[in-house]
Amino acid sequence: DSGVTQTPKHLITATGQRVTLRCSPRSGDLSVYWYQQSLDQGLQFLIQYYNGEERAKGNILERFSAQQFPDLHSELNLSSLELGDSALYFCASSVWEGALNEQFFGPGTRLTVL
Amino acid sequence: AQSVAQPEDQVNVAEGNPLTVKCTYSVSGNPYLFWYVQYPNRGLQFLLKYITGDNLVKGSYGFEAEFNKSQTSFHLKKPSALVSDSALYFCAVRARRDDKIIFGKGTRLHILP
Repeated sequence: DSGVTQTPKHLITATGQRVTLRCSPRSGDLSVYWYQQSLDQGLQFLIQYYNGEERAKGNILERFSAQQFPDLHSELNLSSLELGDSALYFCASSVWEGALNEQFFGPGTRLTVL
Repeated sequence: AQSVAQPEDQVNVAEGNPLTVKCTYSVSGNPYLFWYVQYPNRGLQFLLKYITGDNLVKGSYGFEAEFNKSQTSFHLKKPSALVSDSALYFCAVRARRDDKIIFGKGTRLHILP
């Protein structure tokens, strides 16, 4: 158990809908990262937050947004969902914002868009 | 732009034999390099990292990796494979001046009993 929790574990929704994925980092970790894992694209970095502020941005679509709250939990919002958004979404956390730190991954949320 | 390549989608190794999972990278300047493992229906787990210093890095579960700057490679190795090593392995690179981490597409390792 990495200490990172994600809810829900599974999410099934329809095209055009909006969903929110939630992540609680390990106790003491200030950085949160979001990733999308799909069969064709592999593991793609989406976005990173550090202590409430956006720190780095990857291949995140404009339909997607995220935030990190004062208690350090984070939410990833996906809107106007398309079939291609079906994937496994991982959250990871690390102590600091810098590149030295390994990341601890949550179990993921499997999103299915029908 | 930084990138990482794992040239093999799948590697099959007999139990007890040495294993190698290949990784090459492209980055401006000196890199930070990582290996992660993903077991079925689980998130990724950190195995090891190269930051600086000794080119041979030892990590969890008996794995090690060798940083080769001239060949821009960071291959993962283990002297004697276990069936329980069967999983999906990801190499990742992060440029020192850039916070973005790039993962390879992963290599599925099958250890045959």
